Amino acid sequence: EVQLVESGGGLVKPGRSLRLSCTASGFSFGENNMTWFRQAPGKGLEWVGFIRTKASGGAAEIAVSVKGRFSISRDDSRGIAYLQMNSLKTEDTAVYYCNTGQVGTTYYFDYWGQGTLVSVSS
Amino acid sequence: EIVLTQSPGTLSLSPGEGATLSCRASQNVRSSLLAWYQQKPGQAPRLLIHGASSRATGVPDRFRGSGSGTDFTLIITRLEPEDFAVYYCQDYSAAPRKTFGQGTRLEIK
Repeated sequence: EVQLVESGGGLVKPGRSLRLSCTASGFSFGENNMTWFRQAPGKGLEWVGFIRTKASGGAAEIAVSVKGRFSISRDDSRGIAYLQMNSLKTEDTAVYYCNTGQVGTTYYFDYWGQGTLVSVSS
Repeated sequence: EIVLTQSPGTLSLSPGEGATLSCRASQNVRSSLLAWYQQKPGQAPRLLIHGASSRATGVPDRFRGSGSGTDFTLIITRLEPEDFAVYYCQDYSAAPRKTFGQGTRLEIK
């Protein structure tokens, strides 16, 4: 069974940093891109970024809204994806979700974690 | 980047009625790589429809997706109490980059 478990959320002051982890199991982690989304309280879903597999170059792409402050990395040996968040702002307050799967023109395999809440407040 | 606009923002209906949700894209969605998700409070989104019209595993056949190009529709026939939730459309034509619409809240009248 595919499982994604986010951790590392909590209350943090503006300007500080936080690192979220997404621990994966039940599938070949190294063969899947890993994506982060977030959802501010009462708002919709926002794509934050993703990291490609090592076989595809391992590069990460980050949304413009958080570029320069957030980064994504992965540890294939441990099956963990990370979201490093620096210079946090109050508007970064959200539930952060980890997501993976495979998509094609005729298929869509999609898995989500339960989310971890990040609250940025003084 | 494709922008998805969903309408209406809120839909108030009674169990047993039918619901029609719309999603309009700012550009053609390549190969109709458009998905629909359902989200309930405190839960992660759940995939309902992919490829504009293909139901995901385990999704009841009262959920029907249609459309192509820039206009897509999710129809829910005979609403059940558990169907009241927020629904999002998603463009995954540039996956792993994926963008969502702003959502339609389906509430009990």
